[in-house]
Amino acid sequence: EDQVTQSPEALRLQEGESSSLNCSYTVSGLRGLFWYRQDPGKGPEFLFTLYSAGEEKEKERLKATLTKKESFLHITAPKPEDSATYLCAVLPLYNTDKLIFGTGTRLQVFP
Amino acid sequence: DGGITQSPKYLFRKEGQNVTLSCEQNLNHDAMYWYRQDPGQGLRLIYYSQIVNDFQKGDIAEGYSVSREKKESFPLTVTSAQKNPTAFYLCASNRDSSLGQPQHFGDGTRLSIL
Repeated sequence: EDQVTQSPEALRLQEGESSSLNCSYTVSGLRGLFWYRQDPGKGPEFLFTLYSAGEEKEKERLKATLTKKESFLHITAPKPEDSATYLCAVLPLYNTDKLIFGTGTRLQVFP
Repeated sequence: DGGITQSPKYLFRKEGQNVTLSCEQNLNHDAMYWYRQDPGQGLRLIYYSQIVNDFQKGDIAEGYSVSREKKESFPLTVTSAQKNPTAFYLCASNRDSSLGQPQHFGDGTRLSIL
């Protein structure tokens, strides 16, 4: 069964304390892996797409990486405004109509 | 600016009532999607449409209905048959999912039961 698992469920960081969020996936062929940021009461905001193992994407303090089984979202020197829920989603190669979402990691960054 | 507009932001439903959630996009995207988000669960697909006048059931379509008469619009009706409708509903769109393009989301409608 296709599945996406995100860990940890919640993460509390001090401002400037770097860390990583994990997204493990099981799918029969990967068309793409997506990272989103979601603020409370808002829709998910697209961050990155990764298509193949070894690929990396960066945006400000965020860097996403991809292997054949998992993706990491690295947060370097986070600021309080990085506090949000980060969602990972996988698009299977054989069924590109349906994104499979993880349950997200809720990140809180304290000053 | 192009984007996806969902309305209303908050909606209340009485017992036995059907309610319709609006989703409009001006991104010229062909595909549109409806998801339901519940606390502690990943987004679950309700219905999707790849082209005007055509749509398919997602994983949790029971108690919901949609229409796609215009490229820009994909309204979702929550019928009285949906016994647990309280949730955050998200509409999304993309140009071509077969190319692995990301879906872009609106800001959601929160539906509650009176």
